[in-house]
Amino acid sequence: DIQLTQSPSFLSASLGERVTITCRASQDISNHLAWYQQKPEKAPKLLMHSASTLQRGVSSRFNGGGSGTEFTLTISGLQPEDFATYYCQQLNSFPRTFGQGTKVEIK
Amino acid sequence: ELQLVESGGGLVQPGGSLRLSCVASGLTVSSDYMNWVRQAPGKGLEWVSVIYSGGSTYYADSVKGRFTISRDNVKNTVYLQMNSLRVEDTAVYYCARAFIPATGLDRWGQGTQVTVSS
Repeated sequence: DIQLTQSPSFLSASLGERVTITCRASQDISNHLAWYQQKPEKAPKLLMHSASTLQRGVSSRFNGGGSGTEFTLTISGLQPEDFATYYCQQLNSFPRTFGQGTKVEIK
Repeated sequence: ELQLVESGGGLVQPGGSLRLSCVASGLTVSSDYMNWVRQAPGKGLEWVSVIYSGGSTYYADSVKGRFTISRDNVKNTVYLQMNSLRVEDTAVYYCARAFIPATGLDRWGQGTQVTVSS
């Protein structure tokens, strides 16, 4: 199975700040990676797929990159609605594993 | 409007069974790639299973042999039959759609709680 490791697990940041979350895969997954945002008691929301393709309707503050085994999600100019938990998921092979999550909180 | 509505969760004893349902509207379960994802209390997301448009099914190792995904094209509904339930299966179970397998889960239901406890 492909393991995904996100770093950091927890991130404290201020409004307007730029933050980057990293997702590392245990083997090459090409660009078959998606990013999700989840708020408490809510279902996850797809932000990005194919590593860097922004889902329709998602703010351009979100930027994804990477390929192979290392991927990033950058949020520019943090807004109040961006404080949430973020997950990566590999879509290269089964089982479709998720990273353990990165919680972004207000400093 | 695309919508997924799960039901069928509840409290069950270890070793018991439950069948979850996911009724879809605004999309066709036989054309899309329908998934189940779960989230244990205070934990991260865990992918559980998928049924492809062609009928192929795949499972997480943790549920293989115990859970079965299926669909009813007439009712436009996806099911997750869960047998031999364990305490560690306790979670919110989400139904989620992928329009194309490699482009992520773009529609999610609200989730249904499954609690396995004696």
